[in-house]
Amino acid sequence: KAGVTQTPRYLIKTRGQQVTLSCSPISGHRSVSWYQQTPGQGLQFLFEYFSETQRNKGNFPGRFSGRQFSNSRSEMNVSTLELGDSALYLCASSPRRGAFTNEKLFFGSGTQLSVL
Amino acid sequence: TQLLEQSPQFLSIQEGENLTVYCNSSSVFSSLQWYRQEPGEGPVLLVTVVTGGEVKKLKRLTFQFGDARKDSSLHITAAQPGDTGLYLCAGKIRDFGNEKLTFGTGTRLTIIP
Repeated sequence: KAGVTQTPRYLIKTRGQQVTLSCSPISGHRSVSWYQQTPGQGLQFLFEYFSETQRNKGNFPGRFSGRQFSNSRSEMNVSTLELGDSALYLCASSPRRGAFTNEKLFFGSGTQLSVL
Repeated sequence: TQLLEQSPQFLSIQEGENLTVYCNSSSVFSSLQWYRQEPGEGPVLLVTVVTGGEVKKLKRLTFQFGDARKDSSLHITAAQPGDTGLYLCAGKIRDFGNEKLTFGTGTRLTIIP
């Protein structure tokens, strides 16, 4: 079974631009969560999608948005990029919603975004 | 404010030694997970603990959930270079009716051959 696939692996953008990251979950998984990882803040939850609906949201500005398609693939968009948005963006999939106590998250390798 | 504090932040020890890393919080968690992340990869789940006082073993790794479900520890016996990585604890906490998985800042472990 293929794992979680994130594209692109690396991305370089300049301030003010916008970017779209893609995540394909493990086949059969319906929940996709997005996380931002930086050396200073660690892993921070962005949002969770299940059945094409955002179910859970972290404390990030509205410049960060996402969506999920009917095949469970998800995209994350960041508009008006700032230098502080440079980070590793990780996507994780799970069979059911992440709210279930013993839910297992399967992470992709991430997209390393650098904002210049 | 970091809900989950991990200590130490960095740890470098010789192969064969034992070590313990800690994950502490003032919040009660419904469950707690430990992940290991290697450079250039996403975190990989090692274990989930649910019951206060629970102990789980995974080969040379022993995980314990505190009685009050506010803290956890990971003990590695006879560390090997393959144990090198970033160890992250993550707790589920109820936030305005939603359960969010909150990660600690991690312990970066280096095992020296």
